[in-house]
Amino acid sequence: AQSVTQLDSQVPVFEEAPVELRCNYSSSVSVYLFWYVQYPNQGLQLLLKYLSGSTLVKGINGFEAEFNKSQTSFHLRKPSVHISDTAEYFCAVSDKGAQKLVFGQGTRLTINP
Amino acid sequence: DTGVSQDPRHKITKRGQNVTFRCDPISEHNRLYWYRQTLGQGPEFLTYFQNEAQLEKSRLLSDRFSAERPKGSFSTLEIQRTEQGDSAMYLCASSLPLTSGYNEQFFGPGTRLTVL
Repeated sequence: AQSVTQLDSQVPVFEEAPVELRCNYSSSVSVYLFWYVQYPNQGLQLLLKYLSGSTLVKGINGFEAEFNKSQTSFHLRKPSVHISDTAEYFCAVSDKGAQKLVFGQGTRLTINP
Repeated sequence: DTGVSQDPRHKITKRGQNVTFRCDPISEHNRLYWYRQTLGQGPEFLTYFQNEAQLEKSRLLSDRFSAERPKGSFSTLEIQRTEQGDSAMYLCASSLPLTSGYNEQFFGPGTRLTVL
């Protein structure tokens, strides 16, 4: 069964510093990959997705992620974070042809001024 | 607002009571999903519908749980004889019909259930 591991449960960074949130998934079969953000008391919002094509994917709010098939990773990056990026971030995977999303346990990103 | 809506946003109940949650998807979306998110964890898939047909159910969906989408529009999730372990955020999502590739799932704000 597919599984997703987010290697850091919490990541504190200073404002305007770069950040990387790590994500690894278990299966090597064809997959779709996603990053979602969840602000307090809100639902999930899609940041970006990898379906096919270029392995570097750009999303909203200045985030980007790189798909690495050999390492089964999909790490999320932002070159300069803002206070408003404080949130919980979830990596998710879906096997091609499947409908359900399998989520990681989340990474809490805290931005310090 | 044309997003996915869920009602109620919060529900507190006593152990053993039944609860029902409602989800209204985005109007043209024919696929509807339920997920459960416990504290400190990512969402876990429960079930999904295409129109009124329930096409997949997780093993997490015990016989105390039932989901319906009678007319292919809104959906309800009922939990009978609630247990403290049912305390969680219940998330609903919807997506367009699958034409090619993958269709983005749009999530509602969730219903937070607390079982005392």
